[in-house]
Amino acid sequence: QSVLTQPPSVSAAPRQRVTISCSGTNSNIGDNLVNWYQQLPGEAPKLLIYYDDQVPSGVSDRFSASKSGTSASLAISGLQSDDEATYYCASWDDSLNAILFGGGTKLTVL
Amino acid sequence: EVQLVETGGGLIQSGGSLRLSCAASGFLVSNTYVSWVRQAPGKGLEFVSSLHSGGATSYGGSLKGRITISRDNSKNTVYLQMTNLGVDDTAVYYCAREGGLTGSFGEFDFWGQGTVVTVS
Repeated sequence: QSVLTQPPSVSAAPRQRVTISCSGTNSNIGDNLVNWYQQLPGEAPKLLIYYDDQVPSGVSDRFSASKSGTSASLAISGLQSDDEATYYCASWDDSLNAILFGGGTKLTVL
Repeated sequence: EVQLVETGGGLIQSGGSLRLSCAASGFLVSNTYVSWVRQAPGKGLEFVSSLHSGGATSYGGSLKGRITISRDNSKNTVYLQMTNLGVDDTAVYYCAREGGLTGSFGEFDFWGQGTVVTVS
């Protein structure tokens, strides 16, 4: 079981907005940066958000993220069918001295 | 162009050892962090190990004590030596460049395509 908790699945209709939560503790999200990854079926993960809320060059501005206390969230607006993927949060953990990933959230575009 | 290519995966019997390689191009492994992340079939991502530019290492929980990460700067390659493998170690093993944008932990900005390890 992951220490970073994400909902297993979320769904929404095309053109809608969806959010994915990532809940941690003071030893990880509460004290360290959060990054988000998108993994399309059969592909390697891709960096989607870094440094809590920064969007890398080449990633659509439909993706955004925020963090408050020991929780973070990823938002996707204007949903498209090719957003169907699994999304992971990740953060350093001071107690484990290692990187933690959330369990992943599978997004279905209805 | 940054690229990472993993090799060394395959089918191995339980209790065996394996060394994975991650050949990097477009950047120097000696100047940045390179990490291994694995994904068991149908499961999520799991951090395995990181090797920092200064030589410091970190290891994920389930493999700690059974793995060693190292690099050969002359080959610009990072290695993951795994011992006493069990069926639960069956996974795709990815290497990734870490901290390439801001130097932060957990910021994997480039990934390889992965190498499959199957333990029977």
